[in-house]
Amino acid sequence: DVKVTQSSRYLVKRTGEKVFLECVQDMDHENMFWYRQDPGLGLRLIYFSYDVKMKEKGDIPEGYSVSREKKERFSLILESASTNQTSMYLCATLSGVSTDTQYFGPGTRLTVL
Amino acid sequence: AQSVTQPDIHITVSEGASLELRCNYSYGATPYLFWYVQSPGQGLQLLLKYFSGDTLVQGIKGFEAEFKRSQSSFNLRKPSVHWSDAAEYFCAFMNTGFQKLVFGTGTRLLVSP
Repeated sequence: DVKVTQSSRYLVKRTGEKVFLECVQDMDHENMFWYRQDPGLGLRLIYFSYDVKMKEKGDIPEGYSVSREKKERFSLILESASTNQTSMYLCATLSGVSTDTQYFGPGTRLTVL
Repeated sequence: AQSVTQPDIHITVSEGASLELRCNYSYGATPYLFWYVQSPGQGLQLLLKYFSGDTLVQGIKGFEAEFKRSQSSFNLRKPSVHWSDAAEYFCAFMNTGFQKLVFGTGTRLLVSP
């Protein structure tokens, strides 16, 4: 089974802090994704990566950056957290096979005070 | 524009009754289609997927979905709902050239005794 782990289930930070959300997968998948999930808005793609050191903007990249130094790890960075970034953050992975599916981690619920 | 519409925000079904959750997509070609389920506090779990072939797809937990090209729909069904099915359900499609998932806004299923 694919395993996708996220470093924290719950996180509370203050406005202006730098926040790191970590995602690790154990299936050697090329593609990794960060989404945020908000009530009534579904999941929206923030950034994704199709290879080490490669990244692409998703639909809502503003206020976020990412890092992928190793294939198994994909980090989401909030340079200066703001209250409107309070949300559930979900990481996902996908192999390079086009007919594969995305596998999701359990999510990190981030609260910015 | 590429999009997924789930017109029902909430649905309440009696335990043992049948269920149908609606999903419509807007995409220029035949997409890859997915249904995910999210239980409270959990990540997303894949229920079923459609890539090609038989338009009636069987998934886990007794769910099925039918792809109807003429209606741009991919509705999820279950003949008899169990209390444990109470969760939020997301329809999504994958842009076949890009491996990017586009999600609907979700339907929350409530199961009454």
